[in-house]
Amino acid sequence: AQSVTQLGSHVSVSEGALVLLRCNYSSSVPPYLFWYVQYPNQGLQLLLKYTSAATLVKGINGFEAEFKKSETSFHLTKPSAHMSDAAEYFCAVSDRDGTASKLTFGTGTRLQVTL
Amino acid sequence: KAGVTQTPRYLIKTRGQQVTLSCSPISGHRSVSWYQQTPGQGLQFLFEYFSETQRNKGNFPGRFSGRQFSNSRSEMNVSTLELGDSALYLCASSLQDLSYEQYFGPGTRLTVT
Repeated sequence: AQSVTQLGSHVSVSEGALVLLRCNYSSSVPPYLFWYVQYPNQGLQLLLKYTSAATLVKGINGFEAEFKKSETSFHLTKPSAHMSDAAEYFCAVSDRDGTASKLTFGTGTRLQVTL
Repeated sequence: KAGVTQTPRYLIKTRGQQVTLSCSPISGHRSVSWYQQTPGQGLQFLFEYFSETQRNKGNFPGRFSGRQFSNSRSEMNVSTLELGDSALYLCASSLQDLSYEQYFGPGTRLTVT
């Protein structure tokens, strides 16, 4: 079964600093990979996805992620944090088969942005 | 285009009762998936419906069931509610068969007392 690990349940950065949220997946076959963001009392919003094209994926709100097969990683970055980035971020994975719509999520990383 | 809508947004039920949650997908989307989100277990996949058929199922007891109508709207039912069923239930829709890009609704917050 697919699984995904997010290192660090809480990350705090200063406004303007680099954001780095870590995600590692477990699969011998590269799966589909996603990053979602959740603001308080809201659903999940898709930030970006990796499906087999370019390994460096650009998403919304200035976020990007790089797929590294050798490291089984898909870390999320943003060069300069903004106060509005404070939220919970989830990495997710799905198989490239008939269960593609079944997402397996990591435990989430809460991002705090300070002045 | 309107997003995924879920009703009701908040619900309080008593242990032993049953509950039905509703999800209207984005217009044109044919696949609807349901997820449960709790502080302890995180986000867990419940099931997915496509063309009125359950196509994928997670590891939840039979008390959790769902269905999809011809207009792609979906309902989820939980019978004999337990305290542990208190959670945020999220619905997601996607456009195509085997589509991996899912769009989530705001969720229904269920509290079981």
